[in-house]
Amino acid sequence: ILNVEQSPQSLHVQEGDSTNFTCSFPSSNFYALHWYRWETAKSPEALFVMTLNGDEKKKGRISATLNTKEGYSYLYIKGSQPEDSATYLCAFKGGTSYGKLTFGQGTILTVHP
Amino acid sequence: NAGVTQTPKFRILKIGQSMTLQCAQDMNHNYMYWYRQDPGMGLKLIYYSVGAGITDKGEVPNGYNVSRSTTEDFPLRLELAAPSQTSVYFCASSGQGGGNQPQHFGDGTRLSIL
Repeated sequence: ILNVEQSPQSLHVQEGDSTNFTCSFPSSNFYALHWYRWETAKSPEALFVMTLNGDEKKKGRISATLNTKEGYSYLYIKGSQPEDSATYLCAFKGGTSYGKLTFGQGTILTVHP
Repeated sequence: NAGVTQTPKFRILKIGQSMTLQCAQDMNHNYMYWYRQDPGMGLKLIYYSVGAGITDKGEVPNGYNVSRSTTEDFPLRLELAAPSQTSVYFCASSGQGGGNQPQHFGDGTRLSIL
């Protein structure tokens, strides 16, 4: 069973704060690391798929970095807005698992106005 | 552009009943997946398929069955519903390349077993 861990479990920030959270995954047999944003009462929506060590991806105020050698990825949100409130999931794919992803438990972000 | 469509959205079953959760995608994706979401547990993979006629077990397959007769459809069957199967079920699909392609999720089916 693969271990994909996210921290913190939950986070409360004020509007305008910048924040970041971590996804830890196995450092061996890496293939890809996914980030998803999951709003309450909706379905998960893909943010990034990262495949190379040192990858950095950006989408608006959200960015992510990847370190496959040490097995972690950071997700950053700059200038948080209330609409950023959601659960952020990371998911790991190993090299021999076809399309199968192993999801972390998620970080629940609440941005207070 | 429908994407991934799941039906029904809600269902209440009695213990021991059977039902099929439907999932269809119109993106011509080879890969399809069924997950369940339990509180505090994230998403757990039940079954997946890499193409029509090919399915395999995920992390939590017990009590479920799947079939994939077409590229578009990937139904999930519960044969003898048990309270432990109360959950929200998500179907997803991804394009060729599998793990380096983002997964597209349906809106979920909320299932209660009483």
